[in-house]
Amino acid sequence: DQQVKQNSPSLSVQEGRISILNCDYTNSMFDYFLWYKKYPAEGPTFLISISSIKDKNEDGRFTVFLNKSAKHLSLHIVPSQPGDSAVYFCAAKEGPGSQGNLIFGKGTKLSVKP
Amino acid sequence: NAGVMQNPRHLVRRRGQEARLRCSPMKGHSHVYWYRQLPEEGLKFMVYLQKENIIDESGMPKERFSAEFPKEGPSILRIQQVVRGDSAAYFCASSPGQGRQPQHFGDGTRLSIL
Repeated sequence: DQQVKQNSPSLSVQEGRISILNCDYTNSMFDYFLWYKKYPAEGPTFLISISSIKDKNEDGRFTVFLNKSAKHLSLHIVPSQPGDSAVYFCAAKEGPGSQGNLIFGKGTKLSVKP
Repeated sequence: NAGVMQNPRHLVRRRGQEARLRCSPMKGHSHVYWYRQLPEEGLKFMVYLQKENIIDESGMPKERFSAEFPKEGPSILRIQQVVRGDSAAYFCASSPGQGRQPQHFGDGTRLSIL
């Protein structure tokens, strides 16, 4: 049973446009959410996170939105650049009292065309 | 991914042999996590350790797999009597604490079983 779902395996976007990557979750105990970017043959690189007390967090070109009632979060990248082409993983973590491990989605492969 | 060091990057073993994967966390990090990634899948949690203690091993197969994080030296993930199904990328992550803090990943060990 997948607790974190990324329903789009791939996404193609033109350079300069906005990329929107989506993630849904089922576990209402999740209270911290993260996005990681992964290039082939490398480990995931932390991009941005958001706690459940917020609905938006912004860092440069990256913004994460959280809709708790819909159990949905999204990552916006604007403007998209060819170097953003990678696999993006959504991850979630339960609140205090949990053991701290992350639950990952299966990833969305983003291709940014020049 | 500077900081979390994993070695070897690639490991080839024959069925029945033992595999040892090593992970040195980022400086100042005392929490270590191991994850496994199968092709086209997200990362799956295996085990969470602090120095000299296994905190959560709920994601680790009960047979053939073991992990340690000694007082001195790297964390070790050990797989005995490897089988073809153990072929995967194994990632280690570390964090300074258990709360709302991102985990930082190494570049992984790609294990291939002949």
